[in-house]
Amino acid sequence: EIVMTQSPATLSVSPGEGATLSCRASQSVGSNLAWYQQKPGQAPRLLISGASTRATGIPARFSGSGSGTEFTLAISSLQSEDFAVYYCQQYSNWPPLTFGGGTKVEIK
Amino acid sequence: QVQLVESGGGVVQPGGSLRLSCAASGFIFSNYGMHWARQAPGKGLEWVAFIRYDGNNKYYADSVKGRFTISRDNSKNTVSLQMNSLRPEDMAVYYCTKSGAPYYDNSGSGWQDYWGRGTVVTASS
Repeated sequence: EIVMTQSPATLSVSPGEGATLSCRASQSVGSNLAWYQQKPGQAPRLLISGASTRATGIPARFSGSGSGTEFTLAISSLQSEDFAVYYCQQYSNWPPLTFGGGTKVEIK
Repeated sequence: QVQLVESGGGVVQPGGSLRLSCAASGFIFSNYGMHWARQAPGKGLEWVAFIRYDGNNKYYADSVKGRFTISRDNSKNTVSLQMNSLRPEDMAVYYCTKSGAPYYDNSGSGWQDYWGRGTVVTASS
């Protein structure tokens, strides 16, 4: 099973600032990596697939990069609606599909 | 637009059974694999099960293998999850999710582009 590790667990950011979230896989997943955003009381929403392809309707301030075992989700100029929990997920070698533990982006 | 509407959650005793259903609309259901994922209170996301677009392949998380069964009815655009021998650790919000790519797309069935709002499975006291 591929283990996904996200860091940091919590990121405190001021509105308007940028944020960088990291995700590491225990073995190479190529570019088979997705990012999801989840707000309290809501279902997750797909942000990025293929490590760097934004999903339909996702603003350009969200960008994904990386391949192999190291991935990054960057959010430029955080808006109020961006404060949420972010999860990465690998879909290279499954079952099982595996998620990281999440990074909570909170208002500083 | 794509809609996934789960139903069937509720209060259940450990050891009991429950059947979850998901009604899908807004896309060609028979072209896509479907998943179930769950989230325990205050915890992260956990993938539970997958069924291929034609129902011929099914995969499960080890934590539910042998207890849960995923199925689909392409004539009714529904996917179901039969949950037996429920344990306290099965209590969670269960989400129905759609594979991001159709069966003929090389990007695979593992990523999920739409999630339902979820249905809650709770243990009775």
